[in-house]
Amino acid sequence: GQNIDQPTEMTATEGAIVQINCTYQTSGFNGLFWYQQHAGEAPTFLSYNVLDGLEEKGRFSSFLSRSKGYSYLLLKELQMKDSASYLCAVADSNYQLIWGAGTKLIIKP
Amino acid sequence: GAVVSQHPSWVICKSGTSVKIECRSLDFQATTMFWYRQFPKQSLMLMATSNEGSKATYEQGVEKDKFLINHASLTLSTLTVTSAHPEDSSFYICSARGGVVTETQYFGPGTRLLVL
Repeated sequence: GQNIDQPTEMTATEGAIVQINCTYQTSGFNGLFWYQQHAGEAPTFLSYNVLDGLEEKGRFSSFLSRSKGYSYLLLKELQMKDSASYLCAVADSNYQLIWGAGTKLIIKP
Repeated sequence: GAVVSQHPSWVICKSGTSVKIECRSLDFQATTMFWYRQFPKQSLMLMATSNEGSKATYEQGVEKDKFLINHASLTLSTLTVTSAHPEDSSFYICSARGGVVTETQYFGPGTRLLVL
């Protein structure tokens, strides 16, 4: 079966760094996506990884290891506005997105 | 780039009425559009996938006669909730695949439906 695992909830402190992990088992792989979803809003696209390695975009970085079926999203210099759910999704062989349940990130002052 | 709009953003209707939600890709042609539903504090649930000019593919458990999807052009898809009931009250979100990174789904802002 197809499966995406990520922690349900994480807590971090403003100004700190947090790493949200995602492991996956899917039929085929055409890339891994990270989305941010604030409460009551639709998801917004953060990153796309299809090759192994680290992609950096400002305070956010995303890493992929295809051989390990593993990705992480790294958030630096955390701000209160980063409090949101972070969704990991994998495009399978048909380019259908398989979604993780999301990680709720709580930022404390 | 890669902006997706949805209209309306809020709908309140009486039980038994039909509601139409529009999803538009504003600055790119979307080869495929997706419709999701999300209940409070739950994950996104894919309802159906639609390609321009062809019938939508519905996920298991989603009634195609109740949730009518029309993908009339490369920039417009509509979802009609027919004979809506209170249990259909939810957050409906569309996404469109295309743009610069063609594999990426870009989401509309969502439509909140409340059926009384």
